[in-house]
Amino acid sequence: AQKVTQAQTEISVVEKEDVTLDCVYETRDTTYYLFWYKQPPSGELVFLIRRNSFDEQNEISGRYSWNFQKSTSSFNFTITASQVVDSAVYFCALTRGAGGTSYGKLTFGQGTILTVHP
Amino acid sequence: EPEVTQTPSHQVTQMGQEVILRCVPISNHLYFYWYRQILGQKVEFLVSFYNNEISEKSEIFDDQFSVERPDGSNFTLKIRSTKLEDSAMYFCASRDRASSEQFFGPGTRLTVL
Repeated sequence: AQKVTQAQTEISVVEKEDVTLDCVYETRDTTYYLFWYKQPPSGELVFLIRRNSFDEQNEISGRYSWNFQKSTSSFNFTITASQVVDSAVYFCALTRGAGGTSYGKLTFGQGTILTVHP
Repeated sequence: EPEVTQTPSHQVTQMGQEVILRCVPISNHLYFYWYRQILGQKVEFLVSFYNNEISEKSEIFDDQFSVERPDGSNFTLKIRSTKLEDSAMYFCASRDRASSEQFFGPGTRLTVL
C-alpha cells in the first residue's frame, strides 16, 4: 500500500522568510511519481511539480525548489522569500508508474496549511 | 489551453436524494478519475475509469456510487441516495496514456442537508 505523510499540519511565517514543507512517502513500487499541488482558498488544485523515482536531481523553479531523496523517502518543497500569495494548503501526492494503464490513483498526504503574514 | 471542466460548481441537496456530478475531461485523454475532499481533510481517491469500465475503486466507492461516460465527452459521478457525510468537494481528473500527470477540474462542492 502507498502512504504519504505530511507531518506539518500548519506553518505560519512572515513574508520574505524561507519555508520548507516536508513530505515522506511509502511505496513498494520501484517506479513511481511524486507530485506537489497547491490548493488556494478558492479550492482548486494547482499542479506544481512532478518527479519520477529515477530522477533524484533537485529542481528549482523561481522561488520554488524541491529536494527528492530516495534514501529517506522524502520529497520536500521549499519556498524562498515567501509572499502572502503563497498562503494555501499544499499537498504532496504519490502514484505508481510503469506506463500506460499502470498509472494508478493519486495518494495524497494530509496537507500542510501555509499562512504567510505580511 | 485545454482544461477539465465540472458542473455544477456547487450543489445543495436533501439527504436521500440522487445527485449527478458532471465532468468534461480533456478531449484526447483516456483515463478518468473522481476524488473527494471532505472539508479540511485530504483529497481521497474514489474511482478510476478506462475503456468504459472501472479500473480501480476505493472502499469509499460503495454501491451508492456509480460512474458513467454516457457520450464521448462527459464523465459523471452519481450518488444514488445521498447521506450527510457525502458533503464534500468532488474533483474530476483526467490524463492521457503517455503521462502520469492528472489534470484536475475546479471541483463541485456538494452540500447534503
